[in-house]
Amino acid sequence: AQTVTQSQPEMSVQEAETVTLSCTYDTSESDYYLFWYKQPPSRQMILVIRQEAYKQQNATENRFSVNFQKAAKSFSLKISDSQLGDAAMYFCAYRGQSPTGTASKLTFGTGTRLQVML
Amino acid sequence: DARVTQTPRHKVTEMGQEVTMRCQPILGHNTVFWYRQTMMQGLELLAYFRNRAPLDDSGMPKDRFSAEMPDATLATLKIQPSEPRDSAVYFCASGLVRGVPTDTQYFGPGTRLTVL
Repeated sequence: AQTVTQSQPEMSVQEAETVTLSCTYDTSESDYYLFWYKQPPSRQMILVIRQEAYKQQNATENRFSVNFQKAAKSFSLKISDSQLGDAAMYFCAYRGQSPTGTASKLTFGTGTRLQVML
Repeated sequence: DARVTQTPRHKVTEMGQEVTMRCQPILGHNTVFWYRQTMMQGLELLAYFRNRAPLDDSGMPKDRFSAEMPDATLATLKIQPSEPRDSAVYFCASGLVRGVPTDTQYFGPGTRLTVL
């Protein structure tokens, strides 16, 4: 079974600074997808960024970028120029690709709570 | 701006009562997922559907939970009878699978359920 580990329960960053959230995962599959979701106090789960395992290029989305290390099974999220609105829980998630090609579930990490300080 | 909608947003009920949560997936999406979030267990999948057919409901306590998709625009999650341990936030998510699954799941705002 796949597992996703987020070893940082809480992180803090100064406004306008850069912060990196860590995520590691365990899988025996070669094709899969990785995601970072943000959950603000409203509880809405918001997709931040996704990465396909077959792509070597790291995904970027405005101020958000990932460092995907497939061999190390590591998928960290970098937030540049942090803003107060970035304060939230961040969940790393894994989705495999079943042999039959059907959709499969997301496996989530336990989350990292990010605080943004003035 | 297409989004997943869920009703109700909040539900407080007494133990033993029936609870029905509804989800409207994004129009055109063909997969629907139900997740539950608790402090102890985090986010866990309860069930998911593709083209309205249940693909996996192994995460769901069968004796009291049931999930259905009466049509492509409505998914329901029902708990009968409810118990205090069912108190959680229930998320619905939808996605689009076209042959090879490359879907991203888009989450609704969740239903916060409190069972007294």
